[in-house]
Amino acid sequence: AQSVTQLDSQVPVFEEAPVELRCNYSSSVSVYLFWYVQYPNQGLQLLLKYLSGSTLVKGINGFEAEFNKSQTSFHLRKPSVHISDTAEYFCAVSVSGNEKLTFGTGTRLTIIP
Amino acid sequence: EAGVTQFPSHSVIEKGQTVTLRCDPISGHDNLYWYRRVMGKEIKFLLHFVKESKQDESGMPNNRFLAERTGGTYSTLKVQPAELEDSGVYFCASSLFLNQPQHFGDGTRLSIL
Repeated sequence: AQSVTQLDSQVPVFEEAPVELRCNYSSSVSVYLFWYVQYPNQGLQLLLKYLSGSTLVKGINGFEAEFNKSQTSFHLRKPSVHISDTAEYFCAVSVSGNEKLTFGTGTRLTIIP
Repeated sequence: EAGVTQFPSHSVIEKGQTVTLRCDPISGHDNLYWYRRVMGKEIKFLLHFVKESKQDESGMPNNRFLAERTGGTYSTLKVQPAELEDSGVYFCASSLFLNQPQHFGDGTRLSIL
């Protein structure tokens, strides 16, 4: 079975500063990786996904993530955050042949003006 | 296109009562998933429909939970009788093909008193 670890439950960042949200996974087989975002009072929205190919994945709203197989990581980055990025971010994994998503516990990103 | 729609957005019931949650997937999406987030914990998979068939129901917590998807369109999740530990946010998601990103609804916040 696979698992996802998001070590940081809360990350405060000053506006226009860079941010990295960490995600590590565990799986005995190849995985697909996702980052979802939940803005206040809304549902989950897909930020980006890694299915195969280039390990650097670009998503919406200026976010990107890099798949590192040797370190079993899929960290999310943004070079300059905005107030509107305040949200909870979830890393998730699935495996081919079993499409259910396994989520991390989420990271709450707070932007400080 | 309309997104995944969940109804109601919020439900408050007493322990022992019955509640039914509804999910309307994106039109044409054969794959429908239910997830749950108990407060402070990760989002957990409940079950997966392909059209009207249950593909994977390994995450259903117990037999008080009954999911249906008659006709392969909308789905309902019934909790009977509800217990305090059933409180949480129930998410529905759908996808067109397997291993395609899942699109989530806004969730139903269920509170058991």
